[in-house]
Amino acid sequence: GENVEQHPSTLSVQEGDSAVIKCTYSDSASNYFPWYKQELGKRPQLIIDIRSNVGEKKDQRIAVTLNKTAKHFSLHITETQPEDSAVYFCAATPTGTASKLTFGTGTRLQVTL
Amino acid sequence: SQTIHQWPATLVQPVGSPLSLECTVEGTSNPNLYWYRQAAGRGLQLLFYSVGIGQISSEVPQNLSASRPQDRQFILSSKKLLLSDSGFYLCAWSRGYVAFLSEPQHFGDGTRLSIL
Repeated sequence: GENVEQHPSTLSVQEGDSAVIKCTYSDSASNYFPWYKQELGKRPQLIIDIRSNVGEKKDQRIAVTLNKTAKHFSLHITETQPEDSAVYFCAATPTGTASKLTFGTGTRLQVTL
Repeated sequence: SQTIHQWPATLVQPVGSPLSLECTVEGTSNPNLYWYRQAAGRGLQLLFYSVGIGQISSEVPQNLSASRPQDRQFILSSKKLLLSDSGFYLCAWSRGYVAFLSEPQHFGDGTRLSIL
């Protein structure tokens, strides 16, 4: 089955700096890679996703890059703000698996003033 | 638009008692449905998923079970709770089979279960 590794487990940045979270996956058949943000005590919320036919996707201050050859994908947050503080999860899934996601272990991002 | 409802929001149960958590989805037909458990400060563990009425796949052997009696209803149950069953239980849905595509999952607000 799929295995997703996520690094770092914690990340502290100053407001206005950029943050990068990296994930690797094991199953070369995986073709869909969503990222979720979970604030304390709340549900995970989808913030951006990318499919394997695209190398990069951007949505305002958030971007995701995918390297299929190396089997890794990354989340980039620019101009970080205090409200970006949360736990971020990456995930991966192959086609035909009922969209069954394998999640990374999460990265706790702290944006300091 | 689609919405997902999950209840109760919090639950405190004694060891050995039964459990029933319910999840319903509105605004879509034949969704895929999922139950996850999240221990405090940890990641998301997939417990069960369903692609249709009466179709349940179990990911982790345990004393929990799931049922899908209606298209948009997913129930998580236990006959006898263990201390280790404490956690944050999340229901999620995704669009049903779309040819050769995986779909994003959308989560409910979760149930925080404490076992005493």
